[in-house]
Amino acid sequence: AQSVAQPEDQVNVAEGNPLTVKCTYSVSGNPYLFWYVQYPNRGLQFLLKYITGDNLVKGSYGFEAEFNKSQTSFHLKKPSALVSDSALYFCAVNDYKLSFGAGTTVTVRA
Amino acid sequence: NAGVTQTPKFQVLKTGQSMTLQCAQDMNHEYMSWYRQDPGMGLRLIHYSVGAGITDQGEVPNGYNVSRSTTEDFPLRLLSAAPSQTSVYFCASTVSSGRANEQFFGPGTRLTVL
Repeated sequence: AQSVAQPEDQVNVAEGNPLTVKCTYSVSGNPYLFWYVQYPNRGLQFLLKYITGDNLVKGSYGFEAEFNKSQTSFHLKKPSALVSDSALYFCAVNDYKLSFGAGTTVTVRA
Repeated sequence: NAGVTQTPKFQVLKTGQSMTLQCAQDMNHEYMSWYRQDPGMGLRLIHYSVGAGITDQGEVPNGYNVSRSTTEDFPLRLLSAAPSQTSVYFCASTVSSGRANEQFFGPGTRLTVL
């Protein structure tokens, strides 16, 4: 079975600093990887995905993610975090059914 | 487009009661699914449908029923509610069951079972 893991429950950063949210995956074959964000009391919103091609994927709201096959990772990054980026972030893998990680709560302090 | 809509937003049930969570989408998506979100566990798939008249079980289907009579609607039924079903429920849809397709989520229903 395909799965993803998010090793950090929480990430705290200061506004303006780089933000990284970690995700590792376990799949057989080519992985189809996604990042979603959930703002308080809202549904999930799609940020970006890796299907094939360039290892650096750019998405919404200035986020990007780096696919690393040798380390089986798909970390989400933002060069300069904003207070409004505070939310719950989910990594997911799609094997015709979407499987989510446990989520990482990001808090950006002013 | 309204996207994916869910009703109600909040619901409190007593153990043993039944209810239906409604989900509708206006994007003509073939694939629809139900998830439950519990703290520290991410989202877990309950049931899904690849088209009208076709449904299948996900990771945690026990205690839930679904049907898909139209492309637009995908209701989730709790037959006899239990406290373990206290959760936030999300409906989602996407164009098809292809692996590359991102899903669109509704705003959620927060259910408490006493």
